[in-house]
Amino acid sequence: GEDVEQSLFLSVREGDSSVINCTYTDSSSTYLYWYKQEPGAGLQLLTYIFSNMDMKQDQRLTVLLNKKDKHLSLRIADTQTGDSAIYFCAEIDEDDMRFGAGTRLTVKP
Amino acid sequence: DAMVIQNPRYQVTQFGKPVTLSCSQTLNHNVMYWYQQKSSQAPKLLFHYYDKDFNNEADTPDNFQSRRPNTSFCFLDIRSPGLGDAAMYLCATSTGRFNQPQHFGDGTRLSIL
Repeated sequence: GEDVEQSLFLSVREGDSSVINCTYTDSSSTYLYWYKQEPGAGLQLLTYIFSNMDMKQDQRLTVLLNKKDKHLSLRIADTQTGDSAIYFCAEIDEDDMRFGAGTRLTVKP
Repeated sequence: DAMVIQNPRYQVTQFGKPVTLSCSQTLNHNVMYWYQQKSSQAPKLLFHYYDKDFNNEADTPDNFQSRRPNTSFCFLDIRSPGLGDAAMYLCATSTGRFNQPQHFGDGTRLSIL
């Protein structure tokens, strides 16, 4: 299986919160990232968290890291239709960067 | 604005005909990466340059080559494209190797006829 795992699909209503989950396996990962990919575009860095942190908040985005369970989540508050995209979780250590397969977020009006 | 620029956005080539994809950056980053992304999959790292030091991933086919003539530019050469090479190719840069955030271009979508 993949080193980084994500659910493939998430659907929410506009205005609700979205929570995208990710599990990883490398305990030596130094940084964990969330990228957003809109159709036909490259990856946009949304936010990242250093491995010695538990939480990071950036406007509508909240990242939670449970290092014991190797679980990372991205919460998007007040989700908008413009948030519809694929969200990739990625982990980095000194030698490599590994992406999850991506979660396709669909926001319904 | 400083950015990572990939040209062209869409490239069509014939089976077996060599093709070159281009990436340039104004970020002055040391590291440049090339990824292959197929539909509904995660990006797959092909290789990266740390300055002029080339690093190939073990499972990157020999058909794929790269050149970095200077800090700003990096090229992906596919010597004899097969149908399985049709994909989005993403270029990224970072200040340090792997331990810094990577900044991506918008990608080049390659189609093989």
